[in-house]
Amino acid sequence: EAQVTQNPRYLITVTGKKLTVTCSQNMNHEYMSWYRQDPGLGLRQIYYSMNVEVTDKGDVPEGYKVSRKEKRNFPLILESPSPNQTSLYFCASSPSPGGIQYFGAGTRLSVL
Amino acid sequence: DQQVKQNSPSLSVQEGRISILNCDYTNSMFDYFLWYKKYPAEGPTFLISISSIKDKNEDGRFTVFLNKSAKHLSLHIVPSQPGDSAVYFCAARNGYNFNKFYFGSGTKLNVKP
Repeated sequence: EAQVTQNPRYLITVTGKKLTVTCSQNMNHEYMSWYRQDPGLGLRQIYYSMNVEVTDKGDVPEGYKVSRKEKRNFPLILESPSPNQTSLYFCASSPSPGGIQYFGAGTRLSVL
Repeated sequence: DQQVKQNSPSLSVQEGRISILNCDYTNSMFDYFLWYKKYPAEGPTFLISISSIKDKNEDGRFTVFLNKSAKHLSLHIVPSQPGDSAVYFCAARNGYNFNKFYFGSGTKLNVKP
């Protein structure tokens, strides 16, 4: 089944404790992206990747890192999480930039 | 400042009637618009899209209208069904950078049986 898989689905952590949210797609898509969803703000793009080893900032990249060492994986790294990063996170992929995106089920993160 | 706005957080419609969801944008460089549907505990899924060179696109019960001069688009669902109850997000692509997308805050549609 074609899908985008995020792990974990739920995570509670404390300020400053490094964490990684994984994202994997099995559709051989070139393009991947991370979003955060906050009430009243919709989805905001954090980072995106056009291909392996090619990444760039979205609209809200502060406090986040990404890497794209393999085509299928696009982890989101929070090196020193803060409470304002409490949010619902979505990973998405697309066959190419600019097209329809396929989303994972989301990761709900709480930073205490 | 949000470049894509959905000013109605919620909408309630009777089954069988028309649902109209609205979306406004500010950036004239947007060249492609999409609607996504989201059920609780799931990720958004693509519903319908429209290019900026068109003013209407239809797919079954779903029609999207684009008014470029007003920077406004709308999604019409006819007839509405209880299974359409979900949150609908409007999204826009930056025509200068296809990698960048902007989403509205969503409209929660409730279709009453």
